[in-house]
Amino acid sequence: SQKIEQNSEALNIQEGKTATLTCNYTNYSPAYLQWYRQDPGRGPVFLLLIRENEKEKRKERLKVTFDTTLKQSLFHITASQPADSATYLCALDSNYQLIWGAGTKLIIKP
Amino acid sequence: DVKVTQSSRYLVKRTGEKVFLECVQDMDHENMFWYRQDPGLGLRLIYFSYDVKMKEKGDIPEGYSVSREKKERFSLILESASTNQTSMYLCASSPASGGGSTDTQYFGPGTRLTVL
Repeated sequence: SQKIEQNSEALNIQEGKTATLTCNYTNYSPAYLQWYRQDPGRGPVFLLLIRENEKEKRKERLKVTFDTTLKQSLFHITASQPADSATYLCALDSNYQLIWGAGTKLIIKP
Repeated sequence: DVKVTQSSRYLVKRTGEKVFLECVQDMDHENMFWYRQDPGLGLRLIYFSYDVKMKEKGDIPEGYSVSREKKERFSLILESASTNQTSMYLCASSPASGGGSTDTQYFGPGTRLTVL
């Protein structure tokens, strides 16, 4: 069956460290993968898109990698801050739709 | 700035009531989507629309219908609300992309619907 999985347990990280979130998928062949941030009671906000022919994408303190062999994307936040605390969702394209992971809650402790 | 608005942040309805959720975008986007979000589950697509008066079923359309009479407005209708439709409902829009692929989606703030 087709699945997209993110770690369901909250990730606790000390301020200033690098946070790494994982998105794994099976039985999909996405052309691209997106990462979104969602704060409590709000809709997701787009952060980064990485295409299948790109190994890595960066935006300020954010970095995304995409390994189509492992069927995995990693999302990194360097020099993490308490304001980075949120739930992070990954989404991949399939049949002109986005398929969403359930998200990982990230908590940055001061 | 990109804006998607939803008619209500919180809504409480009774079983059997007809419920209307409205979504408006001001970005002239062709594509609009309705999702529901439940704890531990990813966003699940209910319906989407690629153009005015056009609609396509998503993964969980049962118990829902939609209407898109104008480009900027996409309405979700619960014909007869049931308790299992208690959820967070999110509307999104995206511009049309070449080849029909899905682009970045812009979301509204969500409507937290409780059906008693």
